[in-house]
Amino acid sequence: AQSVSQHNHHVILSEAASLELGCNYSYGGTVNLFWYVQYPGQHLQLLLKYFSGDPLVKGIKGFEAEFIKSKFSFNLRKPSVQWSDTAEYFCAVNAGGNKLVFGAGTILRVKS
Amino acid sequence: NAGVTQTPKFQVLKTGQSMTLQCAQDMNHEYMSWYRQDPGMGLRLIHYSVGAGITDQGEVPNGYNVSRSTTEDFPLRLLSAAPSQTSVYFCASRRFRENTEAFFGQGTRLTVV
Repeated sequence: AQSVSQHNHHVILSEAASLELGCNYSYGGTVNLFWYVQYPGQHLQLLLKYFSGDPLVKGIKGFEAEFIKSKFSFNLRKPSVQWSDTAEYFCAVNAGGNKLVFGAGTILRVKS
Repeated sequence: NAGVTQTPKFQVLKTGQSMTLQCAQDMNHEYMSWYRQDPGMGLRLIHYSVGAGITDQGEVPNGYNVSRSTTEDFPLRLLSAAPSQTSVYFCASRRFRENTEAFFGQGTRLTVV
C-alpha cells in the first residue's frame, strides 16, 4: 500500500529562518505529488504540485519543493519564513487509482 | 463558483444518534471523497466516488455510508455515532484524470459524546 512519511510533526522557527519539511513516499511508479497547507481553523489549500517535468517546483507564498525520484522524496522549502506561515503542512501523493494519500502533517509555528 | 461546500460546520451528537454530513461541488468534478482528520494522523480516506452511482471504500470506512446519486452531491452518513468518530471531516473533489489537484471543503467538526 502507498504511504507517505513526514519526518517532523512539530517545527518551531523564528521569523526569517529557513524552512525544510521532509516528505518521503513509498511507491515505485509514476506519482503526482502535492503539498497542502491548513491555516488555523481553515480548510486545506494547495501550496504546490508536481506532475512531471522540472523537479523543482515553485508554489504560492515563496514556497518551493524538490522531487528527487531516487530518494522517493518531495521536500518543501522556504528560504525565510514569516509569522503568517504558522500552519499545518501536509504532503500528499497520488500514485494511481485517483486515491490521494496524505502524510501525518507537520505543524509549523513561527515565532515573531 | 462556490467550490466545495460542506454543511454543517459544527455538530455535536450523542452516542447512537445518526446524521448526514452534506457535501456539494459545482465544478462538475467526477471524483469526490471524504476524509477524516485526527491529530497526528493526517487525513485518512473514508469513502470515495468516481462518478454518480459509483462508490468505494477507503482506508477507514467502518461506521460510515455514502451514496452518489448526482455528480454534485456526496453525503456521508453516520448510522450510529460513536465517540471514536469524533473528528474533523473534509470533503474533496477533483477531475477524474491524472494531473489534477483536489479541492477541499471547509470541514465539519463533529463531536460525539
